[in-house]
Amino acid sequence: QKEVEQNSGPLSVPEGAIASLNCTYSDRGSQSFFWYRQYSGKSPELIMSIYSNGDKEDGRFTAQLNKASQYVSLLIRDSQPSDSATYLCAVNPESGAGSYQLTFGKGTKLSVIP
Amino acid sequence: ETGVTQTPRHLVMGMTNKKSLKCEQHLGHNAMYWYKQSAKKPLELMFVYNFKEQTENNSVPSRFSPECPNSSHLFLHLHTLQPEDSALYLCASSQRLVPALSYEQYFGPGTRLTVT
Repeated sequence: QKEVEQNSGPLSVPEGAIASLNCTYSDRGSQSFFWYRQYSGKSPELIMSIYSNGDKEDGRFTAQLNKASQYVSLLIRDSQPSDSATYLCAVNPESGAGSYQLTFGKGTKLSVIP
Repeated sequence: ETGVTQTPRHLVMGMTNKKSLKCEQHLGHNAMYWYKQSAKKPLELMFVYNFKEQTENNSVPSRFSPECPNSSHLFLHLHTLQPEDSALYLCASSQRLVPALSYEQYFGPGTRLTVT
């Protein structure tokens, strides 16, 4: 059973702080990793993708990938109340032909307190 | 707006009804997906189409029937649903399907389905 695990939260951080969201995955062969943001009642919105070990920065967002530890994280710097949402981690579980599925975690609910 | 539209946005149907959900993408993508999102559960992939051909059917009950007439349109035909089928149904698209690589998927706004 391929799994993606996230702490459901809620994770509460004060405005201006760094929010750190974590995700672990079970399939060591995973190649592609994505973070989606989902506001209440809305559909998921892609905010970051990462494919190689290390950090990838995009504005206030940084994705970190450690394949050896099977761990991917999302850091949000200078958190704003508008960042309050559920963050979904998604992993492509296998390499090789025939596997196109993304496995999603249940999501971490982030609340940024003004 | 992601370039993926879904209609209707809300649907209430009885267990004996037949209805269809529609998805259209304006991104020039060739792969389209149906997902189900229920409360407290992760997104569940239902069907995948690549260049109009179905590539995945994740053990979805036959009361859900997909149709993909072209790369821009995707339908989900519903009949004799159960109350537990009430959920948010999301359509997504991506550039295409390639082994060992996952292109980013872009989601539509979803259809909130309630089965009474």
